[in-house]
Amino acid sequence: NAGVTQTPKFQVLKTGQSMTLQCAQDMNHNSMYWYRQDPGMGLRLIYYSASEGTTDKGEVPNGYNVSRLNKREFSLRLESAAPSQTSVYFCASSLTGLFEADTQYFGPGTRLTVL
Amino acid sequence: GIQVEQSPPDLILQEGANSTLRCNFSDSVNNLQWFHQNPWGQLINLFYIPSGTKQNGRLSATTVATERYSLLYISSSQTTDSGVYFCAAPYNFNKFYFGSGTKLNVKP
Repeated sequence: NAGVTQTPKFQVLKTGQSMTLQCAQDMNHNSMYWYRQDPGMGLRLIYYSASEGTTDKGEVPNGYNVSRLNKREFSLRLESAAPSQTSVYFCASSLTGLFEADTQYFGPGTRLTVL
Repeated sequence: GIQVEQSPPDLILQEGANSTLRCNFSDSVNNLQWFHQNPWGQLINLFYIPSGTKQNGRLSATTVATERYSLLYISSSQTTDSGVYFCAAPYNFNKFYFGSGTKLNVKP
């Protein structure tokens, strides 16, 4: 099993450009998450999906859209990138999302720079 | 929302030493998790510990929910323990707030 995979690993954008970060998991998990991590800080939740077809805003959703394409895939889209979105983006998944005892598994991250 | 604070922010240890990392949270929680981020950025879940004590090898964690804190103990530290340790508490089912982390450097 590959676990949680993310593409691309690195990306440089110019202000105003758009892009989609891809995430896939092969663990048959129901819940998936997008986080961002800024230097010296913890992770902040951008969006969350409890199941296929459902999404919910997290702590910092502005400037992002998400799509839960199917049970395996959860994509994050930046429609008009801004320098403030320079960050490392992590995707994660967990089995159910409904119960407390639910470990999150993380992808390797995407390092995004917006010039 | 819930506040999650970690201390110390930085910690330097000699290999073989023991350490205690602390996580304070501002509201009662039913789910507290500890994560390790290695120097290459990979995040690994260490413990789910809403209350009580759990042990996994040289690591153990204790959460005192009534007093709103959790402790992560690292015994006989090794260089591979280096990285950043985060605690995270939920504010809505599986939506988590993360602390800002404790950066640990274990020197050989």
